[in-house]
Amino acid sequence: EAGVAQSPRYKIIEKRQSVAFWCNPISGHATLYWYQQILGQGPKLLIQFQNNGVVDDSQLPKDRFSAERLKGVDSTLKIQPAKLEDSAVYLCASSPAGGGAGGYTFGSGTRLTVV
Amino acid sequence: AQSVAQPEDQVNVAEGNPLTVKCTYSVSGNPYLFWYVQYPNRGLQFLLKYITGDNLVKGSYGFEAEFNKSQTSFHLKKPSALVSDSALYFCAVRVGNTGGFKTIFGAGTRLFVKA
Repeated sequence: EAGVAQSPRYKIIEKRQSVAFWCNPISGHATLYWYQQILGQGPKLLIQFQNNGVVDDSQLPKDRFSAERLKGVDSTLKIQPAKLEDSAVYLCASSPAGGGAGGYTFGSGTRLTVV
Repeated sequence: AQSVAQPEDQVNVAEGNPLTVKCTYSVSGNPYLFWYVQYPNRGLQFLLKYITGDNLVKGSYGFEAEFNKSQTSFHLKKPSALVSDSALYFCAVRVGNTGGFKTIFGAGTRLFVKA
């Protein structure tokens, strides 16, 4: 089966600019996650979708970050305006319905550098 | 607070020797525990999981992990390390309830296997 697709792989922007990331999960996976991985740290959950509804966005900086999964399939994560501390790898993952008991499948990530 | 800890930033081992990467957790109830591996410029890749049953679980690439409830640990092991095992390893735990689950990750341990 095809894996989790993410684009772009790399992005360099100036602070205060906006940026968007795209994710296409494994076909049939109901749950989609966006994680932020800062260099030297473990991934931190930003937002979790079940189909097209938000399950958990408690750690999403909502003043600048937004995400949507309108048709319950692919998803976009946006940052506007970006700050230097947003430099990180943004990982998308998906799992079948069931709360991820079987583990997640991750995409290769988007490496964002804010200068 | 529910958490997972990886006490070692880095583990060095010679090829052919056994390796252990440590993980401890703090969660309420029965934990679902996972190990993931991350190679350079790649997303996280699922290695193995513990949900219930035998305390020793086997996973991909010859890795195994031992669940110890009294010590709240879930150490990753391999009897004979390979140079190609050099990567970043993350321990993770699923937390939540039927209202919603999420997975939280440790900070990661970098494994160096020397030829």
